[in-house]
Amino acid sequence: EVQLVESGGGLVQPGRSLKLSCLASGFTFSNYGMNWIRQAPGKGLEWVASISSSSSYIYYADTVKGRFTISRDNAKNTLYLQMTSLRSEDTALYYCARARRPLDYFDYWGQGVMVTVSS
Amino acid sequence: DIQMTQSPASLSASLEEIVTITCQASQDIGNYLSWYQQKLGKSPQLLIHSATSLADGVPSRFSGSRSGTQYSLKINRLQVEDTGIYYCLQHYSAPYTFGAGTKLELK
Repeated sequence: EVQLVESGGGLVQPGRSLKLSCLASGFTFSNYGMNWIRQAPGKGLEWVASISSSSSYIYYADTVKGRFTISRDNAKNTLYLQMTSLRSEDTALYYCARARRPLDYFDYWGQGVMVTVSS
Repeated sequence: DIQMTQSPASLSASLEEIVTITCQASQDIGNYLSWYQQKLGKSPQLLIHSATSLADGVPSRFSGSRSGTQYSLKINRLQVEDTGIYYCLQHYSAPYTFGAGTKLELK
């Protein structure tokens, strides 16, 4: 069974940093692209970043480019999102999601982890 | 960036009714369009990929279609468990963009 479990969220002050993790199981992690998608409270879905299976291709939304870094450790079956210079508008539930390859649909999603940016 | 205009924003329908939700892409995205269902308090789930292909385990009352740059999700014979918010997603090019969502309720 495919499982994606996010962790690392919490309350953080504006301007500070936070690193999210997504532990994958039930499939060969190194064969799949991975993504982060977020959802602000009461709002719709916003794609944040994507990374290919070997980290060769990485894409970011303009709203996070230069502040967030997506990465992965295939030996640990884990996806990461390093978030710096956090703003109140980054407050959201962050999901990781699997894709077969870059520019592909998201076939499995995690349960999400909440990030709240507030002083 | 590619814009996805989704309509309607909300929809109230009766049991067994046929429901259609539409997404209009601002440019050609081919079949790089997928649909997701999000139930209250849950993660989104894939319904349709490649514009018209039903995802594994999804009931056959769901279907997707494409006409040029307009994409539609159709639910035949609406069931209670189909309530929730539906989103389209274009993954033709980064930045990927979701439609604004359609909230589907039972009348």
